[in-house]
Amino acid sequence: DTEVTQTPKHLVMGMTNKKSLKCEQHMGHRAMYWYKQKAKKPPELMFVYSYEKLSINESVPSRFSPECPNSSLLNLHLHALQPEDSALYLCASSHSPRVRLTGELFFGEGSRLTVL
Amino acid sequence: RKEVEQDPGPFNVPEGATVAFNCTYSNSASQSFFWYRQDCRKEPKLLMSVYSSGNEDGRFTAQLNRASQYISLLIRDSKLSDSATYLCVVSPHGSGNTGKLIFGQGTTLQVKP
Repeated sequence: DTEVTQTPKHLVMGMTNKKSLKCEQHMGHRAMYWYKQKAKKPPELMFVYSYEKLSINESVPSRFSPECPNSSLLNLHLHALQPEDSALYLCASSHSPRVRLTGELFFGEGSRLTVL
Repeated sequence: RKEVEQDPGPFNVPEGATVAFNCTYSNSASQSFFWYRQDCRKEPKLLMSVYSSGNEDGRFTAQLNRASQYISLLIRDSKLSDSATYLCVVSPHGSGNTGKLIFGQGTTLQVKP
């Protein structure tokens, strides 16, 4: 079982709804990530938090709003999404932001989002 | 041109076969390279790092050719449990890219009895 826990596992929402995805890790990792993955496509980086500060935003639309309340938690707030935003949203963590040294991201099982 | 390119496959091979996957990357300044494995409807997991000197882990061998900007993964004596999608991953150069890993499309392997 993965040590990165994501909730909910499945979410269906309308275009006018506001919802949040949650991610938690207790490995003491200091970097956390949100990736988006569509069917038969690779994971695409959305956001990187380094020591609880947003360090990378890959030009993600503002209808996605990340939040890192503490070093163990990462949220993704969703508002006014479009059907094309339907995807698997993967949270990941790494021991440090210098992930290029080890390449090791620990992924959660993902939250599968459907926007109607 | 995509930053990381892989042949999506699928590669269908019998048990015991040797299979090789290739990957090319566009940015010559890329710093680090990895192979991840993703099982169907599961999260990606790190398989191994890739070094210029080569890296071997049991039946798996990874190679990097910086001059050709090319990465490979060789799997010997394929097992049914090797069936998965193999993702080539590149870490771009630059302090502004700290924390950034770029995933290739993945190559799907199906090992058959």
